[in-house]
Amino acid sequence: AQKITQTQPGMFVQEKEAVTLDCTYDTSDQSYGLFWYKQPSSGEMIFLIYQGSYDEQNATEGRYSLNFQKARKSANLVISASQLGDSAMYVCAMRGRTNFGNEKLTFGTGTRLTIIP
Amino acid sequence: DAGITQSPRHKVTETGTPVTLRCHQTENHRYMYWYRQDPGHGLRLIHYSYGVKDTDKGEVSDGYSVSRSKTEDFLLTLESATSSQTSVYFCAISDRRSGNSYEQYFGPGTRLTVT
Repeated sequence: AQKITQTQPGMFVQEKEAVTLDCTYDTSDQSYGLFWYKQPSSGEMIFLIYQGSYDEQNATEGRYSLNFQKARKSANLVISASQLGDSAMYVCAMRGRTNFGNEKLTFGTGTRLTIIP
Repeated sequence: DAGITQSPRHKVTETGTPVTLRCHQTENHRYMYWYRQDPGHGLRLIHYSYGVKDTDKGEVSDGYSVSRSKTEDFLLTLESATSSQTSVYFCAISDRRSGNSYEQYFGPGTRLTVT
């Protein structure tokens, strides 16, 4: 079975500081992927970044980077130079396979990030 | 924008009534998913579809059924709504970006309240 763990229910960070949001995972699959989503108070799920298990370099998308440590089974999200608009729930997810070999995602419970001016 | 819409966006219904939520996509994606989101649980998979008339159960499928008679529509039905099904429901599609890179795009969500 696949499992995603986000141990930080909430975080407060000063504006312009860098933020690291923790995500650890557990899977027996050899091929998988890790996602991060942002969910603002309006409720929509916004895709931020993706890392495949075979990707050799850490993924980056603008101010977002994914610190992927395969041996430790961690996929932490790093946000550089945080902005007030970064205040939101951040959800980590893992792509894997169902018993029938079809794609599915397993989600963590999220970390609520609040940026302080 | 992955062209995913959900209807209705908000619904209040009474216990015991049937409810159908609709997910519509415009870009011919093969995989479609229904999730529910509840505090402390994150998103949990209810059912998914891997093609027209091809569906499978997720981890919280009891009390729900789905149908996909055409590529663009994926319907979620609560046969007899219960208060425990009060939740926010998200539809999603899966798209391959390039190589081994994937994204799952989500619809705007449907807030369902069962009284």
